[in-house]
Amino acid sequence: AQSVTQPDIHITVSEGASLELRCNYSYGATPYLFWYVQSPGQGLQLLLKYFSGDTLVQGIKGFEAEFKRSQSSFNLRKPSVHWSDAAEYFCAVGLKTSYDKVIFGPGTSLSVIP
Amino acid sequence: NAGVTQTPKFRILKIGQSMTLQCTQDMNHNYMYWYRQDPGMGLKLIYYSVGAGITDKGEVPNGYNVSRSTTEDFPLRLELAAPSQTSVYFCASSRDRATYEQYFGPGTRLTVT
Repeated sequence: AQSVTQPDIHITVSEGASLELRCNYSYGATPYLFWYVQSPGQGLQLLLKYFSGDTLVQGIKGFEAEFKRSQSSFNLRKPSVHWSDAAEYFCAVGLKTSYDKVIFGPGTSLSVIP
Repeated sequence: NAGVTQTPKFRILKIGQSMTLQCTQDMNHNYMYWYRQDPGMGLKLIYYSVGAGITDKGEVPNGYNVSRSTTEDFPLRLELAAPSQTSVYFCASSRDRATYEQYFGPGTRLTVT
């Protein structure tokens, strides 16, 4: 069965430090890949997406992610975290099923220490 | 530009009561979705729609019903509310199946006691 895992439930980083959030998926083919961010009390907002081509994709708010086919991973990175980045981050996989299902990972909660 | 709007923001229901969660989008998107979000579980798809008059079940449809009479509106109906339906509910829409990018509403926090 298809699945998305985010191994880190919660991460705490200091403001200005670098960040990497991990995402792994299980699927028979290369899916479409997404990272969404959810600020407290808000809906989800798309940070970036990968469909094909260059495996390093740039997103909003200074985030980037790298698709590694051999590792079935799509890790999210940011070189310098800001206090406003504290939020819940969801990795998601788009599958070409009959109804174009998107599977979300369980999320990683990010705390930022001033 | 409102995007996806949901009402109400919060609601407390007693066991056995019914209610409708409203969702409206003003982006003329064909695809609309209802998810529930439980702590540590990510989002689970309840129902989705590919256009007016067309709906189908997602992963966790039991206890819910939907309708889609217009492109803009996609209400979610809870019949005979149960404590297991305590959750945060998100409505989302997307332009087409090619992009998959979904736009989310702010959510409805529902408590069933």
